[in-house]
Amino acid sequence: AQSVTQLDSHVSVSEGTPVLLRCNYSSSYSPSLFWYVQHPNKGLQLLLKYTSAATLVKGINGFEAEFKKSETSFHLTKPSAHMSDAAEYFCVVSLYSGGGADGLTFGKGTHLIIQP
Amino acid sequence: NAGVTQTPKFRILKIGQSMTLQCAQDMNHNYMYWYRQDPGMGLKLIYYSVGAGITDKGEVPNGYNVSRSTTEDFPLRLELAAPSQTSVYFCASRTGRGAYNSPLHFGNGTRLTVT
Repeated sequence: AQSVTQLDSHVSVSEGTPVLLRCNYSSSYSPSLFWYVQHPNKGLQLLLKYTSAATLVKGINGFEAEFKKSETSFHLTKPSAHMSDAAEYFCVVSLYSGGGADGLTFGKGTHLIIQP
Repeated sequence: NAGVTQTPKFRILKIGQSMTLQCAQDMNHNYMYWYRQDPGMGLKLIYYSVGAGITDKGEVPNGYNVSRSTTEDFPLRLELAAPSQTSVYFCASRTGRGAYNSPLHFGNGTRLTVT
């Protein structure tokens, strides 16, 4: 069985400073990994995905994440935070589940606060 | 390109009432999902479907029912609404080919309050 741990429930940074949102996973097999962003009263939007190609993945809005198999981590970073980045972020693990369709596991989310 | 469309956006139900949350996608995705989101709890899977005529329970199916008569539509039925069903409900879909590599596409959610 796989699991996902988002290590911080809340992260607060100042505008213009770097963002680091941490995600660790456990899985017996090589997973696909995703980061989603949810702005208030909106659905989840895909930021980026890792699917066994390059370990450094670039996403939308200047975000990127690095897959580190040895550390079982997939941390999300951005060099310079913008006020519009304030949102909830979810890390998701996806595994091939054989005959079933659901091999998805969601983290509990990290609330990113941007201070002016 | 509408993507995943959910209706209604908001609904208030009295205890014991029933309703259907609608979800439609226009991307010809085989896999569709219903999640509920409670504050600080992330997303929990209610039901999912791998194609028309095929549905299966997720983590929290009690009190809900689904059907999938077409590829496009995946309605969620609440029978005898209870306050514990107060939540935000999200429908999502993804392609069936190489599904585990493909991302979910989400609707904007239905905010349901049961009083």
